[in-house]
Amino acid sequence: EDQVTQSPEALRLQEGESSSLNCSYTVSGLRGLFWYRQDPGKGPEFLFTLYSAGEEKEKERLKATLTKKESFLHITAPKPEDSATYLCAVHTSGTYKYIFGTGTRLKVLA
Amino acid sequence: DTGVSQNPRHKITKRGQNVTFRCDPISEHNRLYWYRQTLGQGPEFLTYFQNEAQLEKSRLLSDRFSAERPKGSFSTLEIQRTEQGDSAMYLCASSRGGGSTEAFFGQGTRLTVV
Repeated sequence: EDQVTQSPEALRLQEGESSSLNCSYTVSGLRGLFWYRQDPGKGPEFLFTLYSAGEEKEKERLKATLTKKESFLHITAPKPEDSATYLCAVHTSGTYKYIFGTGTRLKVLA
Repeated sequence: DTGVSQNPRHKITKRGQNVTFRCDPISEHNRLYWYRQTLGQGPEFLTYFQNEAQLEKSRLLSDRFSAERPKGSFSTLEIQRTEQGDSAMYLCASSRGGGSTEAFFGQGTRLTVV
């Protein structure tokens, strides 16, 4: 069965302390991997799409990378406003749905 | 592009009552998804529409849940005979057709069953 696992579950960083979030997946055929940001009480906000191993996407302090088994969301010099839950989702062959991980709750302290 | 719109934003209902939620997708998107999310969990897939056709439903979806997308525009999700376990955030998302593309989510409808 297709599965997405995110780690760590929660992460506390000091402002400016760079780190990485992990999304590992076990799927039958990856068509796309997606990163979202979710603030409390709101819907997920789209960040990045990755399609093939070796691909990288960048936006402000965030960079997403993809290998054949996992994806990383690198956060460089984070700010308190980067505090949110970051969700990873996959789109696989043979289904229309996006399968989500449980997310990483990021807290950046000033 | 006004984004995905969901109504109502919040709904409190008594156990056993029926509720209906509405989703208006991004206008040029022909794919529409419903998800459910509980605290501390990722969104859980409920159902998928391509235009007006419902092409996929979660095996976990109770018979009390039904969704429609008449004319391939807005969609409604109805829950009959609500139970306390139905309390959750119900999210709608839409995406363009053609391959694997990103889905854009609405702000959700928070359902509380008392």
